[in-house]
Amino acid sequence: SQELEQSPQSLIVQEGKNLTINCTSSKTLYGLYWYKQKYGEGLIFLMMLQKGGEEKSHEKITAKLDEKKQQSSLHITASQPSHAGIYLCGADSGGSNYKLTFGKGTLLTVNP
Amino acid sequence: DAGVTQSPTHLIKTRGQHVTLRCSPISGHKSVSWYQQVLGQGPQFIFQYYEKEERGRGNFPDRFSARQFPNYSSELNVNALLLGDSALYLCASSQGVGNQPQHFGDGTRLSIL
Repeated sequence: SQELEQSPQSLIVQEGKNLTINCTSSKTLYGLYWYKQKYGEGLIFLMMLQKGGEEKSHEKITAKLDEKKQQSSLHITASQPSHAGIYLCGADSGGSNYKLTFGKGTLLTVNP
Repeated sequence: DAGVTQSPTHLIKTRGQHVTLRCSPISGHKSVSWYQQVLGQGPQFIFQYYEKEERGRGNFPDRFSARQFPNYSSELNVNALLLGDSALYLCASSQGVGNQPQHFGDGTRLSIL
């Protein structure tokens, strides 16, 4: 079965600093999704990456997909307290049901 | 537009009881998936339904069952509750299956005493 490993597990940054979160898959990536979760709440969809080398941005968040390395990265520029939360990567399993397999998440704290 | 709605938001049960969780997808979405998330872990896939048919099942015991109705809403049923079933249960909807994002509700927090 597919496994996703996220690093780091947790991250504390000062407001205004840049940061990167990585997600590495044990198997071929058919589709990679980034979500954000506030503690105890639902997941908020951020971005979907499907093609090797694909890069997408939304406001100050950029995600990239390296198909060969079976890896994705999420980069936040000039972090703000509103960026705080748990970032989760999820991957399509392919096949007929397209279930999402998730990593354990990265807890981001942004200090003002 | 309303997002994915789940009910109830919180639930407390005792061991051995059964529970029914409900989910209404985003209007126009025909696929509903259920996930279980325990503290400190990512969501674990339980079921996916599309057009009222089960399209996938995760590694959960037969105590877990689900169904999807003609209006695409869905129910997750869990029988003979165990302490280990305590978790946040998340419902997600998408327009179809594959190559499109799933949009999640706020979940139902289930506590087993």
